[in-house]
Amino acid sequence: QKEVEQNSGPLSVPEGAIASLNCTYSDRGSQSFFWYRQYSGKSPELIMFIYSNGDKEDGRFTAQLNKASQYVSLLIRDSQPSDSATYLCAVANTGNQFYFGTGTSLTVIP
Amino acid sequence: AAGVIQSPRHLIKEKRETATLKCYPIPRHDTVYWYQQGPGQDPQFLISFYEKMQSDKGSIPDRFSAQQFSDYHSELNMSSLELGDSALYFCASGSGGAYEQYFGPGTRLTVT
Repeated sequence: QKEVEQNSGPLSVPEGAIASLNCTYSDRGSQSFFWYRQYSGKSPELIMFIYSNGDKEDGRFTAQLNKASQYVSLLIRDSQPSDSATYLCAVANTGNQFYFGTGTSLTVIP
Repeated sequence: AAGVIQSPRHLIKEKRETATLKCYPIPRHDTVYWYQQGPGQDPQFLISFYEKMQSDKGSIPDRFSAQQFSDYHSELNMSSLELGDSALYFCASGSGGAYEQYFGPGTRLTVT
């Protein structure tokens, strides 16, 4: 079982819609959760991090964490074509090791 | 704002050669992480340093070594290169008390 699992997609949404990206993790003691956006051939860009159960909002992005169910999600409201990228979920586990999921490819259709 | 700097950005080597990749963290960041990302793969953690000491070790081959210097920059040394070492190598930096990592632009290594 991988430390972090994501649906690889591709996920397609129309412009202006809400994109929902999901991630599950295996180490129940994990404390820190991150969402990175990566354009093809570019480096991952940190867009959100969340440490506590519940929702965290930053502009059009909302991260949701449910430690009991061991999942973390990212909602992108009013999706734009420029949001088209691969979104990587990352988790720092109890050993402070950092694991990435394989990423979900998002395409926002104009 | 200053970002993570990596050099070189592109590197072509032949099998069995050596390569050295450099990383300059964001100013005042004391932690450096190295990742390898193959085509279509997620970044694989190799090794990290905090305050010039190795803090964690991932899937780094024995042929690779790394260190962090007094000015906090880090170098990844790769020897006896193999075709399978061709990948993007990212360095990320962070501040020791927090887990957020900020990635550099990467070095694309091609081994022929």
